[in-house]
Amino acid sequence: QSALTQPRSVSGSPGQSVTISCTGTSSDVGGYNFVSWYQQHPGKAPKLMIYDVTKRPSGVPDHFSGSKSGNTASLTISGLQAEDEADYYCCSYAGSYTLVFGGGTKLTVL
Amino acid sequence: QVQLQESGPGLVKPSETLSLTCTVSGGSIDNYYWTWIRQPPGKGLEWIAYMYYTGSTNSNPSLKSRVTISIDTSKNQFSLKLTSVTAADTAVYYCARGNIGGLLTPWGQGTLVTVSS
Repeated sequence: QSALTQPRSVSGSPGQSVTISCTGTSSDVGGYNFVSWYQQHPGKAPKLMIYDVTKRPSGVPDHFSGSKSGNTASLTISGLQAEDEADYYCCSYAGSYTLVFGGGTKLTVL
Repeated sequence: QVQLQESGPGLVKPSETLSLTCTVSGGSIDNYYWTWIRQPPGKGLEWIAYMYYTGSTNSNPSLKSRVTISIDTSKNQFSLKLTSVTAADTAVYYCARGNIGGLLTPWGQGTLVTVSS
């Protein structure tokens, strides 16, 4: 069970859009529609932002969206805001009642 | 609203057993997958294990031989034991409520466990 692959860092200016990728295999990301995304600010617990690839929990701003193509899932943040600066992690069901996380991506708002 | 709180020793000696408890308040422990995740200092998240409220469990293959997870529905608590710890097990340990596909929410605030003599 290998960690999902995410870019180490991404950046964008306020108002711009950024996309964070999460690449796995047909045994995890590609095989199930069970990808979730978490936002983590320094010193805080992660917060669920997207689940089941595209669904947004109540209270999460609608400028966060998720998608998937093949073995790669993506989190898009449109209309970047200063408070979106954080670490982001993807997570996928990997079969046989196991989960796997991505290595994490640091988003910098310039 | 449901809240989770981790508790346990912050310092464990090498080769000993790490034991943590997560207390669930504001809701029932029924019908969810109760999950442990850890994060070494400055590093990413790692799924450790989860247990369904009925008692069925599964854990990360890389940790499977050292992990025991249990649940006490009468106390609304679930617990983690990790045996034969080394410095590599030093991390912030989080508990969370989830489902089989993840959907981890809410999370506890996390507790730092340091493995050192």
